[in-house]
Amino acid sequence: EVQVLESGGGLVEPGGSLRLSCAGSGFSFTTYDMTWVRQAPGKGLEWVSSISKIGGITYNADSVKGRFTISRDNSKNTVYLQMNSLRAEDTAMYYCAKGVGDHYYYGMDVWGQGTTVTVSS
Amino acid sequence: QSALTQPASVSGSPGQSITISCTGTTRDVESYNLVAWYQQHPGRTPKLMIYEDTKRPSGVSNRFSGSKSGNTASLTISGLQAEDEADYYCCSYANNNKLVFGGGTKLTVL
Repeated sequence: EVQVLESGGGLVEPGGSLRLSCAGSGFSFTTYDMTWVRQAPGKGLEWVSSISKIGGITYNADSVKGRFTISRDNSKNTVYLQMNSLRAEDTAMYYCAKGVGDHYYYGMDVWGQGTTVTVSS
Repeated sequence: QSALTQPASVSGSPGQSITISCTGTTRDVESYNLVAWYQQHPGRTPKLMIYEDTKRPSGVSNRFSGSKSGNTASLTISGLQAEDEADYYCCSYANNNKLVFGGGTKLTVL
């Protein structure tokens, strides 16, 4: 079964850091770009970051640029989201998603169940 | 990057057809054939329904179709069923390698 599984969420104080992980299985991990999307409580979906198949190219939303870093370890079939300088407005469910086709921007066809990040003192 | 514009809500009766619009700009929807649509039931993970404007992933009902004209993409659901009641989000590639989502549309099946 093709799936992705997120982990690493939790409660963190403003200004703190957190690293999310997303493990892929059931597909050729190195064939697909990967993406993080978040959803604040009661709100819509927001694109956060994407990374190319080999990991050499990353893309970030302006809202997280300079604070969040996406990376991947293809030997572990895992993509990461390092989140620094966290703010209250980063509180959300964070979803990891697999790209459909050759690039992240075609769409995302496999989504994880999400991991919750809460930024609060 | 501004969000794409979707109606907050649409509704229809079982068996009817409805269309959800997604309006962008020349920086996103109009310039690229890269609009995707996602369905999200309450408390559930998003599901890809349409990608590259009009393509349907395997396993998605052919009652769902995508189209685009100028800066507006549309998702049409024909033969509405109770299980279609959900939130729907459009998403487009945008200039400078960004992705931008719409605000979401709540579909109510009457």
